[in-house]
Amino acid sequence: GNSVTQMEGPVTLSEEAFLTINCTYTATGYPSLFWYVQYPGEGLQLLLKATKADDKGSNKGFEATYRKETTSFHLEKGSVQVSDSAVYFCALSFNDMRFGAGTRLTVKP
Amino acid sequence: NAGVTQTPKFQVLKTGQSMTLQCAQDMNHEYMSWYRQDPGMGLRLIHYSVGAGITDQGEVPNGYNVSRSTTEDFPLRLLSAAPSQTSVYFCATHGTSFYNEQFFGPGTRLTVL
Repeated sequence: GNSVTQMEGPVTLSEEAFLTINCTYTATGYPSLFWYVQYPGEGLQLLLKATKADDKGSNKGFEATYRKETTSFHLEKGSVQVSDSAVYFCALSFNDMRFGAGTRLTVKP
Repeated sequence: NAGVTQTPKFQVLKTGQSMTLQCAQDMNHEYMSWYRQDPGMGLRLIHYSVGAGITDQGEVPNGYNVSRSTTEDFPLRLLSAAPSQTSVYFCATHGTSFYNEQFFGPGTRLTVL
């Protein structure tokens, strides 16, 4: 079946550091891929998405590229801020939704 | 607009009790879904609906019932609560398919003793 695997956390970085959160997927067809973010005490919010191979999703300085050859959708940001501290979920949709386990990011000043 | 609302925010049940988690949306979306969030497992889809009168099972449907009589409301029922159902429950809506952005409610934290 369809599934998502993302790197386990927690991840702790200093402000202005480079961020990578790895995400790989298994799917029987051609899914859409998403990154959602969850701030403390809130529901999930869409961060970015990509709907086909080689698409790059971007938002708020975050980027991820849909790589069909490596079945990956890694999240990157060049310079993180304290306000980026949250839990990040990789997800795929293909008839239904599958989420990764989530990666908790803490950014220290 | 309120978006997606969920009630209650917190609930404690005893094993065997029943309850209904409420979800309402004012976004006029056709799709509504229920998820549970457990540590280390991300979100898992319980049930979803593609419109009034139409529901289907997700990845973990056992122990839960749903119905969709209106576009706005999508309640989740636990008929006989079990400790394994202790979790945080999120309701979400989206436009026409799972390929669209989903909008999540604030969640209900349920503890079953």
